[in-house]
Amino acid sequence: EVQLLESGGGLVQPGGSLRLSCAASGFTFSSYAMSWVRQAPGKGLEWVSGISSSGDNTYYADSVKGRFSISRDNSKNTLFLQMNTLRAEDTAVYYCANQSPNFDYWGQGTLVTVSS
Amino acid sequence: SYELTQPPSVSVSPGQTASITCSGDKLGDKYACWYQQKPGQSPLLVIYQDSKRPSGIPERFSGSNSGNTATLTISETQAMDEADYYCQAWDSSTVVFGGGTKLTVL
Repeated sequence: EVQLLESGGGLVQPGGSLRLSCAASGFTFSSYAMSWVRQAPGKGLEWVSGISSSGDNTYYADSVKGRFSISRDNSKNTLFLQMNTLRAEDTAVYYCANQSPNFDYWGQGTLVTVSS
Repeated sequence: SYELTQPPSVSVSPGQTASITCSGDKLGDKYACWYQQKPGQSPLLVIYQDSKRPSGIPERFSGSNSGNTATLTISETQAMDEADYYCQAWDSSTVVFGGGTKLTVL
């Protein structure tokens, strides 16, 4: 059974940093590209960032470029999202999802709240 | 940047057919997929590569994509189909989601 388990969310002040993790199991993690997708409260889905299966290629939405950094550790089946210079508009549930290239599987999400 | 446009809401009576559209420039030249999201749950892929259904998705869900419009069709709509639906496509190496459509079954 495929499982994606996000962690690392919480309350952070504007300008602060947070690192999200996504632990994967039930599939060959190193064979799949992965992405982070977020959903602000009461709003729609927004793709944030993606990474190739090897980790060599990374992609970002314009809204987070230069502030967020995606990475992965294939030896530990884990995906990361380093979020710096956080803003109120980054408040959202952050999901990790595998790409095939569709998003076949999603985690349960982790809530990030940016507020003073 | 590339945009996908969906109607904010669609209403359908139980047992009838619901159609949700997704519009984008030359969307028919790309693959479209659709996700269902119920309150408090993560999104669920219901259609990929325009018209294919993942394992476990009922046959009443179907999709098409041509010209500038992709369409998700739900036949014999049931109360359990009430949810938000999002279309998605790739533009170069970035992912684009539509704004979402709330399907109400009443």
